Amino acid sequence: SQQGEEDPQALSIQEGENATMNCSYKTSINNLQWYRQNSGRGLVHLILIRSNEREKHSGRLRVTLDTSKKSSSLLITASRAADTASYFCATGYYGNNRLAFGKGNQVVVIP
Amino acid sequence: EPEVTQTPSHQVTQMGQEVILRCVPISNHLYFYWYRQILGQKVEFLVSFYNNEISEKSEIFDDQFSVERPDGSNFTLKIRSTKLEDSAMYFCASSEVGSYTEAFFGQGTRLTVV
Repeated sequence: SQQGEEDPQALSIQEGENATMNCSYKTSINNLQWYRQNSGRGLVHLILIRSNEREKHSGRLRVTLDTSKKSSSLLITASRAADTASYFCATGYYGNNRLAFGKGNQVVVIP
Repeated sequence: EPEVTQTPSHQVTQMGQEVILRCVPISNHLYFYWYRQILGQKVEFLVSFYNNEISEKSEIFDDQFSVERPDGSNFTLKIRSTKLEDSAMYFCASSEVGSYTEAFFGQGTRLTVV
């Protein structure tokens, strides 16, 4: 099925450390997007990486995409307590605009 | 910064009742979506809407669901006869037209069916 799937992780890290989470998918994609969700709240768009891109940066975020392995990673550098949230990858496909979400990674940054 | 807004933030309804969830997408966006997230589960696609018609819907989006753009700014999701299993967070999203477009989501409406 066409779905983003994160490694089911619950990360607990100290403030200032880096946090890395991964996402894999099963079929060819058009793009992959990462979202953050604070507890019970809305989905905040973080970054979109196109299928022909390998790496993208936005502030403290770094996203990689390996289409040969059908996987992506999200790195948050120098984490802050405010980064505590669930992070979801969502894959987009050619021919339609729907996104397929993964299960999410819970990240806890300890001050 | 433009954002997608949803109302209400919470809604409690009796089983069998009709509910309408409302959304105001980002003004220059032309694609609109509804997704839902049952507690503890994945965010699931329900429907996309473009040019005043449904462009795609999932198997979840059965005859109990309908969407409408009643005016130039609002986008609504109606559930005709709610069931207990409809309890979820419902997200509206919007995007521009194009192959590599970001979908921006609202804060969600938490629907509880009792």
